[in-house]
Order: sequence, then structure tokens, then C-alpha cells
Amino acid sequence: KQEVTQIPAALSVPEGENLVLNCSFTDSAIYNLQWFRQDPGKGLTSLLLIQSSQREQTSGRLNASLDKSSGRSTLYIAASQPGDSATYLCAVKNDNDMRFGAGTRLTVKP
Amino acid sequence: GAGVSQSPRYKVAKRGQDVALRCDPISGHVSLFWYQQALGQGPEFLTYFQNEAQLDKSGLPSDRFFAERPEGSVSTLKIQRTQQEDSAVYLCASSPRMLPYEQYFGPGTRLTVT
Repeated sequence: KQEVTQIPAALSVPEGENLVLNCSFTDSAIYNLQWFRQDPGKGLTSLLLIQSSQREQTSGRLNASLDKSSGRSTLYIAASQPGDSATYLCAVKNDNDMRFGAGTRLTVKP
Repeated sequence: GAGVSQSPRYKVAKRGQDVALRCDPISGHVSLFWYQQALGQGPEFLTYFQNEAQLDKSGLPSDRFFAERPEGSVSTLKIQRTQQEDSAVYLCASSPRMLPYEQYFGPGTRLTVT
């Protein structure tokens, strides 16, 4: 059974800092990996989707990488802003289901 | 365009009551997923539909949970004889095609069983 782990569970940084969130998974036979943002009381917002054949995806200040063989993905956030404060979840897709990590709760202090 | 919508947004049920949670996917999306998210945890997969066919229900925690999508669009997740451990946010997601494409999530229904 696929297990997804996210480290750290919580992270607090000052505004402007670059940061990296980590995601690891146990079964490398994935179709894709997706990073989401979740604000309190809200649903999930998709940030980046990396297909299994890809190594990275970029969107604005966000860059996600995927190393399938080692079962790892990172989400890099450049020049963090207070508005980036949220919980970030990674999810991997095998066959019909998608497995999520427990998330990293990010706080960016002004 | 409209995203995935869910109703109700909040539901309080007394233990033993039956509840029905509705999901309206993005129009034309083939795939629909239900997830259960406990407080402080990531979502857990419950079940998956491709059009009206329920292809995977391996995540449903018990036979009190039942999902349907009779016309391949709107879906309903029904929980019978609710228990306190059913308290969670129930998320619905839809995808434009068959796997493994991107999923779009609704805001969720927060269920509290008292």
C-alpha cells in the first residue's frame, strides 16, 4: 500500500525567504504526483501536477521536482509571502486512487 | 466557469441518523472521486466513478457508506446510521478524463456527528 510522508509537519519562516517542502512515497509505480494548497475551511487548490515521465514543473514562484526512483518530490517556494500561509499537501496517483500526505502547515510571517 | 460544488457545506447529525452529501462536478468531467479528511490529516480515498460506473469503492470504511452517480454527473455520498468517527470533511473531486489526469476539488462538506 502506498504511503506518503511529508516533512516537516509545520514550518514558520519570515517573509521573503525561499523554502522547500518535502514529500516521500513508498511505491515508485505512480502515474503522477500533485501538490495542493489548502486554506483553513476550504477545499484543495491544485498547484502543480507532475506526470511520472517528468522531472519538474514550474508555475510562478513555485517549482516542484519529482525523483520517482528515490520516491521523493520537493516543492520549492521562492520569495515567500504572507499570502502563501496555508497547508501544502502532496498526493500520488496509483491506478484508481490517490494517496495524500498529512501536509505541511506553512506560516510566512510579515 | 463553475468549479466543483458540494452541499451542504456543513452538516450536524445526531448519532444514528442517515446523511446524504451531494457533489456537483465540473460539467463534462468523466471521473469523480470522494475523499474523507479527518482533522489534521490528508484526505483518504473513498471511492471513484467513471461516468455512472463505480469502478473502485475499496476506500469506503464500512457498509454504512454508499455512493452513487446514476446519470454520470451529480454524485451522492450516503452514510447510514452515522457514528462519531464519521465526523470529518468529505471532499469531492472531478477530472476531465480517465486517469491519470488532474483532479479538481470542491470545498468539502464538514460533517459533525454528535
